[in-house]
Amino acid sequence: AQTVTQSQPEMSVQEAETVTLSCTYDTSESDYYLFWYKQPPSRQMILVIRQEAYKQQNATENRFSVNFQKAAKSFSLKISDSQLGDAAMYFCAYRRMYGGADGLTFGKGTHLIIQP
Amino acid sequence: EAQVTQNPRYLITVTGKKLTVTCSQNMNHEYMSWYRQDPGLGLRQIYYSMNVEVTDKGDVPEGYKVSRKEKRNFPLILESPSPNQTSLYFCASSPLYYRDPGKGYTFGSGTRLTVV
Repeated sequence: AQTVTQSQPEMSVQEAETVTLSCTYDTSESDYYLFWYKQPPSRQMILVIRQEAYKQQNATENRFSVNFQKAAKSFSLKISDSQLGDAAMYFCAYRRMYGGADGLTFGKGTHLIIQP
Repeated sequence: EAQVTQNPRYLITVTGKKLTVTCSQNMNHEYMSWYRQDPGLGLRQIYYSMNVEVTDKGDVPEGYKVSRKEKRNFPLILESPSPNQTSLYFCASSPLYYRDPGKGYTFGSGTRLTVV
C-alpha cells in the first residue's frame, strides 16, 4: 500500500516571501500521479498542481511549482510571492496510474499561515 | 457547471439515529468515493465505487454503508451513528484511471457531521 507523509504540521511565512511544503511518499510502482490540494477555511478542496511520475520536468502553475525527486520519492510544493489568500491547509496526494483500488492517498496536511 | 453536490453541509444528530448524506455528480464520472477528514489524520477513504453496482471498502469502512444504483449518485449511509463518526465528510468523483488518470478528483463542499 502507498503512504504519503507530510512532516510539517504547520508552516508560517511572511507575505511576499517564498515557502516550501514537504511531501514524501512510499510506493513500489513506477508510474503514478502526485497532487497538491489546497483547503481554505471554506473547506473546499482545490487542486493546485499535479505531476505525472513519468515526466522529469517539474510542474508549474503560476506562483506554484513542485520539486519532484522520483528516486528520493519526494514531492515538495513551492509557493512564490506568498499572498494572504494562500493561507490554507495543503494536502499532498498520490494516485495509482493502473488499475486496482483507484483512490487518492492523502498525507495528513500542512497548515500554512501567511503573516501580513 | 461541472460539480459534485453534497448535502447537507451541516448535520447534528443523536447516537443511533440513521442518516444519509447525499452525493451527486453531473460529469458522467465512473469513479466516486467518500472520505472523512479528521484533525491530524488527513483524509481517509471510507468507500469507493468504480461504476454502477460496484462498490468496495476503503481504509475506514466500519459503521458506514454505500450504494450505487445510478451513475450520478453515491449516498453515504450511517445506520447507527456513534460519536466517533463526528467528522468532516467529502464526496469526490473522477473519470476512471484509464480515461484521464491525471485529472485528480472533483470534490463536494463537505458535510460537517456531529453525533451527540
